[in-house]
Amino acid sequence: DAKTTQPPSMDCAEGRAANLPCNHSTISGNEYVYWYRQIHSQGPQYIIHGLKNNETNEMASLIITEDRKSSTLILPHATLRDTAVYYCIVRVIIQGAQKLVFGQGTRLTINP
Amino acid sequence: SQTIHQWPATLVQPVGSPLSLECTVEGTSNPNLYWYRQAAGRGLQLLFYSVGIGQISSEVPQNLSASRPQDRQFILSSKKLLLSDSGFYLCAWGTGTGNQPQHFGDGTRLSIL
Repeated sequence: DAKTTQPPSMDCAEGRAANLPCNHSTISGNEYVYWYRQIHSQGPQYIIHGLKNNETNEMASLIITEDRKSSTLILPHATLRDTAVYYCIVRVIIQGAQKLVFGQGTRLTINP
Repeated sequence: SQTIHQWPATLVQPVGSPLSLECTVEGTSNPNLYWYRQAAGRGLQLLFYSVGIGQISSEVPQNLSASRPQDRQFILSSKKLLLSDSGFYLCAWGTGTGNQPQHFGDGTRLSIL
């Protein structure tokens, strides 16, 4: 399974942009990159996903490098409620279903 | 819109007791269903997945089993719980192999005494 590497922790000031990096150097050409976040004691929340083009939605932007070996999740104006563990995941297809392989993620702390 | 329900939210069980966790999805038909476990301080690990009624695939050998008696119902069970079964259990649903994401329930925190 394609593996992702993320920094274990990051800090960001409230109101600033939070940029979370992820390396996925073994990603295959048809594998998507997904980002989820998990606030303590809750289920993971889907944020955004992409294949090779940059993506933006109401929560975040996803920048994928041209060689697809890394990506960056951008939270444009971080708030205290964005404090969470952020997971970068490369999805794998197995027997008609999706397999999400979760790593340790990045613990993002938004400071007032 | 689609919703996913898990219960109970928390559960404390003695070693050797049985287990049954239930997950139901509303607002969609023939979803793919998933059970994950999260040990303390770690990422999620896929345990089981199902692409249809009565079809179960296991990702890791363990003391647990899963069943899908109805299209939108997914059950996680054990006949005799071990201490190592403690953790945060999450159910998720998705739509086949397209690029739509999986969506997770709120989880069940299981403590084995």
